[in-house]
Amino acid sequence: DAMVIQNPRYQVTQFGKPVTLSCSQTLNHNVMYWYQQKSSQAPKLLFHYYDKDFNNEADTPDNFQSRRPNTSFCFLDIRSPGLGDAAMYLCATSRDSGTSGYEQYFGPGTRLTVT
Amino acid sequence: GDSVTQMEGPVTLSEEAFLTINCTYTATGYPSLFWYVQYPGEGLQLLLKATKADDKGSNKGFEATYRKETTSFHLEKGSVQVSDSAVYFCALSNTGANSKLTFGKGITLSVRP
Repeated sequence: DAMVIQNPRYQVTQFGKPVTLSCSQTLNHNVMYWYQQKSSQAPKLLFHYYDKDFNNEADTPDNFQSRRPNTSFCFLDIRSPGLGDAAMYLCATSRDSGTSGYEQYFGPGTRLTVT
Repeated sequence: GDSVTQMEGPVTLSEEAFLTINCTYTATGYPSLFWYVQYPGEGLQLLLKATKADDKGSNKGFEATYRKETTSFHLEKGSVQVSDSAVYFCALSNTGANSKLTFGKGITLSVRP
């Protein structure tokens, strides 16, 4: 089945130690998104790629970076995690289409713990 | 800017009860509307969607109708099950390149046997 895959599902890192979360998709969608979701809150968009074009949200801290080496893969890098970065990180994809309604397909998420 | 307002939660119902979760929106143009569901410890799943006024989205017994005159997209189900216990998010997406989802705050539904 076509899907969005996130690895790992659970990640523990130390305060200040760089960490990378990965996302892959078999949907061949050209848009990929990264969201941060804290407990009992809606997902918050960090940035997204439209093909190779990177689009950062204005309030996303510089501590968060992303790479998309090809259509299928996208990475979220947290350069110096703080305790406040502990959250669920969700990857999503969508197909750009003028008529489809832009639904997004989400992966299962990576739960990041910062110790 | 675009915004989505959901009714305050949490909501607790008995099995087989009728469910309504209210959602209203503010947006320019002609957005598409969505309901996403999130089960504990998982990502979001698209539950249903509607892309134009008067469209009705439906899935797994859930329904929602795109009401442009009242800017609403209320979620309903005639008979809830324990397995429907989850967090429900209403969202909109405006048309155009690089469009994004605007989410409501989400509401937790608990269904007791």
